[in-house]
Amino acid sequence: GAVVSQHPSRVICKSGTSVKIECRSLDFQATTMFWYRQFPKKSLMLMATSNEGSKATYEQGVEKDKFLINHASLTLSTLTVTSAHPEDSSFYICSARDGGVNTEAFFGQGTRLTVV
Amino acid sequence: QKEVEQNSGPLSVPEGAIASLNCTYSDRGSQSFFWYRQYSGKSPELIMSIYSNGDKEDGRFTAQLNKASQYVSLLIRDSQPSDSATYLCAVIASGNEKLTFGTGTRLTIIP
Repeated sequence: GAVVSQHPSRVICKSGTSVKIECRSLDFQATTMFWYRQFPKKSLMLMATSNEGSKATYEQGVEKDKFLINHASLTLSTLTVTSAHPEDSSFYICSARDGGVNTEAFFGQGTRLTVV
Repeated sequence: QKEVEQNSGPLSVPEGAIASLNCTYSDRGSQSFFWYRQYSGKSPELIMSIYSNGDKEDGRFTAQLNKASQYVSLLIRDSQPSDSATYLCAVIASGNEKLTFGTGTRLTIIP
């Protein structure tokens, strides 16, 4: 399958600081990328859909000013958690899909964010 | 009603037996169906995709889709301890580009 690389895999930051997470499609062009968060023993929660060259579409209840998404190229999307708080601590995962709507989505390795 | 439903388990299966995982979905117009495997602390890994009614086999895995009954299943033959993980069913609903996930079924293979 296609390769999606996410960086960093683990980050610890202080409350009030911002953290940027990168998601790259290594061997294909990703027209659409998705950002999820997952709490322990829970399923994935979609945060936003990111389309190259346009604004991200956020799911209901997700603060777009807090979770900034940029999809500036067909191989890179970034998620910035601004003014992080301990309750933002979670596992953040991106996925990417090439081509049309029904093609398979591949996931990055995930980023474990801990806010202290 | 949840859009994609799975039995949360845990499901325990003896090593070497067949593990059967089930998923139902609410949108009758859904066209694309996926099974992902997620080990604890890791991100999901795609196992199978299926788009047409019937069975699709890949190694020890068989996905089954029945659109009339709105269910999709995953069979794992000759279960191995390394198959112990949470299995996520995902569906792309009609007119939608995003994957909707079930809550996952935790599978444990008992040696």
